[in-house]
Amino acid sequence: ETGVTQTPRHLVMGMTNKKSLKCEQHLGHNAMYWYKQSAKKPLELMFVYNFKEQTENNSVPSRFSPECPNSSHLFLHLHTLQPEDSALYLCASSEGDRANSPLHFGNGTRLTVT
Amino acid sequence: KNQVEQSPQSLIILEGKNCTLQCNYTVSPFSNLRWYKQDTGRGPVSLTIMTFSENTKSNGRYTATLDADTKQSSLHITASQLSDSASYICVVSHAGNNRKLIWGLGTSLGVNP
Repeated sequence: ETGVTQTPRHLVMGMTNKKSLKCEQHLGHNAMYWYKQSAKKPLELMFVYNFKEQTENNSVPSRFSPECPNSSHLFLHLHTLQPEDSALYLCASSEGDRANSPLHFGNGTRLTVT
Repeated sequence: KNQVEQSPQSLIILEGKNCTLQCNYTVSPFSNLRWYKQDTGRGPVSLTIMTFSENTKSNGRYTATLDADTKQSSLHITASQLSDSASYICVVSHAGNNRKLIWGLGTSLGVNP
């Protein structure tokens, strides 16, 4: 058990569907992140939340919409995705600034867009 | 350009043997360097974080070294076990640039019986 739980573990969706990824952390951390991991590419930071406030959006297309209702929960709402969005989506949390604190990752949601 | 390069890309060793993975970076200014282990189908797990002043850090059978002058780090695994089969990712924290994390592509390690 990593302390960061992501659901679902696997998701297959069509390009016209709307779905949501969920992340919950049980570590009492105040920062949460969404990362995208594609084959043969380094991890890409998508969004950062500190104390429920979005502090970074790294030029992510608007078809990805994050939501952070409280410091323990993070969602990624998906709509009208493209096949190139197929990837492993990882949620992470940290106690403080990610520059100095280790990131604690969930086991990811494997997304396939058909 | 701030980059992190890892070598080898993949490696297969026999159980019980030692191995060393390399990480070279061009990130400047530098804050710290981390090694993560990622098992297949799971998220990365932190092994070590090393700051500028630390030359070596151990976590069980894993020992990381850092040479900030040459911008090189290594991860040494002693007496490998089957459970060490995973991807090992080097990550460098940029001291400026909003303290961005620069991720390497990882080294895929296979440990065979």
